Amino acid sequence: EIQLVETGGNLVQPGESLRLSCAASGLTVSSIDMTWVRQAAGKGLEWISIIYSDGRTYTGDSVKGRFTISRDESNNSVYLQMQSLRAEDTAVYYCARRKKLPATAPYFYYALDVWGQGTTVLVSS
Amino acid sequence: DIQMTQSPSSLSASVGDRVTITCRASQNIATSLNWYQQQPGKVPKLLVYGAARLQDGVPSRFSGTGSGTDFALTITSLQPEDFAFYYCQQSYSKWLTFGGGTKVEV
Repeated sequence: EIQLVETGGNLVQPGESLRLSCAASGLTVSSIDMTWVRQAAGKGLEWISIIYSDGRTYTGDSVKGRFTISRDESNNSVYLQMQSLRAEDTAVYYCARRKKLPATAPYFYYALDVWGQGTTVLVSS
Repeated sequence: DIQMTQSPSSLSASVGDRVTITCRASQNIATSLNWYQQQPGKVPKLLVYGAARLQDGVPSRFSGTGSGTDFALTITSLQPEDFAFYYCQQSYSKWLTFGGGTKVEV
């Protein structure tokens, strides 16, 4: 069974740092694309960052320069290092697998097909 | 970044109703459009990918259409478990973006 488990969420003060972890089982994080998505209370989904299987990373403008995605093959985990946290970073953070899905050859599509349960980050003084 | 605009932001419906949610992209994204359902207190679930392809296990009352910039998710014969939030998401760009969401409520 494929499972993603996020940990590391906490209450922190503005300006502080936090590292979120996403431990994977049933899949190998270095072989797939993994993303972080967040959701503030009562709000919609916001894509944060992605790390591709080849190691390339991309990050959304709202957190660029403050958040960094990485992975550790030995722990089969993906991480989100968050710095200079702001009140508006308060949210549930999800990790999700970006999977290549079948379509009529030679085409294919990508979607987020497996999600973790999320971890809560609260930024408040 | 590609902006995704969903409408309506919420709608009221009854069990058995046919419901359509629309999503518009700020530029041509071909058929690189996915739909997710998020039931209250739950994790998002992939419903439709590639604009029109049902994910495994998703009931056939869900269907997706569209290409280019305009897309739609239709639920025929709404069931009690379908009252939820729905989000579109483009996978055309390296910078993924979601629509603002649509709440389907009683």
